[in-house]
Amino acid sequence: AQKVTQAQTEISVVEKEDVTLDCVYETRDTTYYLFWYKQPPSGELVFLIRRNSFDEQNEISGRYSWNFQKSTSSFNFTITASQVVDSAVYFCALSGYNQGGKLIFGQGTELSVKP
Amino acid sequence: DTEVTQTPKHLVMGMTNKKSLKCEQHMGHRAMYWYKQKAKKPPELMFVYSYEKLSINESVPSRFSPECPNSSLLNLHLHALQPEDSALYLCASSQESGQGYGYTFGSGTRLTVV
Repeated sequence: AQKVTQAQTEISVVEKEDVTLDCVYETRDTTYYLFWYKQPPSGELVFLIRRNSFDEQNEISGRYSWNFQKSTSSFNFTITASQVVDSAVYFCALSGYNQGGKLIFGQGTELSVKP
Repeated sequence: DTEVTQTPKHLVMGMTNKKSLKCEQHMGHRAMYWYKQKAKKPPELMFVYSYEKLSINESVPSRFSPECPNSSLLNLHLHALQPEDSALYLCASSQESGQGYGYTFGSGTRLTVV
């Protein structure tokens, strides 16, 4: 069975603070893909990153960075110097290679960045 | 064109009505998806179409009827819905199903059943 756990339901920070969103996953697939999406109040899901199970390199994109560790089945997301515009619900998601395209989402973390 | 377009953005329908949700993409993607998202919950997969054929139906009630008329269009026909079906319905597409291709989501249709 596949499962994604985002233990943090809500996080509130003050602007310019760094914040890390945790994601832990379970899968029996040896080939799988991990994603992070941002969902602002308007509702659309905005793609942030995709990582395959064979690529454990960490990635940085501007103020965003991701830490993928297969040993702990974690794919954590850090926002550096948070801004009010970062306020949204963030979903971590998992897709197995032979799962027909099914994307399994975590419960989401609602991030509130206050000025 | 790198978008998935969903219409309408908002829909209010009675329990005896028949309505349809429409989704369109022109990225040449061969997999299209319907997800349902209740408030404060993650999206849940309903259907997957791969090369215009239904490949996954997540035990969705028959009052939801998907249709894929061509590789760019995906419809969701609604009939005799219940108030608990009120939700955000999201369409997505990817180059192929499986194999980890990135998913592009539309902005959704907010459905209210009265």
